[in-house]
Amino acid sequence: EDQVTQSPEALRLQEGESSSLNCSYTVSGLRGLFWYRQDPGKGPEFLFTLYSAGEEKEKERLKATLTKKESFLHITAPKPEDSATYLCAVQAGSGTASKLTFGTGTRLQVTL
Amino acid sequence: ETGVTQSPTHLIKTRGQQVTLRCSSQSGHNTVSWYQQALGQGPQFIFQYYREEENGRGNFPPRFSGLQFPNYSSELNVNALELDDSALYLCASSLMGQETQYFGPGTRLLVL
Repeated sequence: EDQVTQSPEALRLQEGESSSLNCSYTVSGLRGLFWYRQDPGKGPEFLFTLYSAGEEKEKERLKATLTKKESFLHITAPKPEDSATYLCAVQAGSGTASKLTFGTGTRLQVTL
Repeated sequence: ETGVTQSPTHLIKTRGQQVTLRCSSQSGHNTVSWYQQALGQGPQFIFQYYREEENGRGNFPPRFSGLQFPNYSSELNVNALELDDSALYLCASSLMGQETQYFGPGTRLLVL
């Protein structure tokens, strides 16, 4: 069974204080690893898809990296508007169904 | 480009009732997936529809059922509602063969 574990559960940063969120996964045949941002009461907003170990993607203050066992979401010089829950998900196996298995997320709070 | 939309935004039902939630896919997408997200948890896969057929199902009982229409919109039906069905229900659309799923804003269901 596919498993995704995210750490820490919650993180409080001051504006400008860089940090990383971790996503560890156990799957059989990774097809993709996904990062989403979710604001309270809203649907997840797509950030990145990573497909193979060594791959990196960047968007503004966010950078996602992937190894064979985990992914990191690096946040550089965060701003208060980066406060949200960040979800990691994996898609695995063969076949046409594209089920996502999510972790429980990291709640990020960025203060002034 | 029109994103994923869902209706209604909020819904209150009593135990034992039935509910229908609706989703319109993002323009050009032919696959729709439904997820249930309990408070403080990551989304859990309910099922996926492609070409109007169920194309994968998670660990949810048969009282959770769905439909996909020729225009790729979709419905999630839940019969015999239980208190534990209270959650945010998310619809995500994608293009078959491409892994990334784009989520709608969700429907918040409260079962009393």
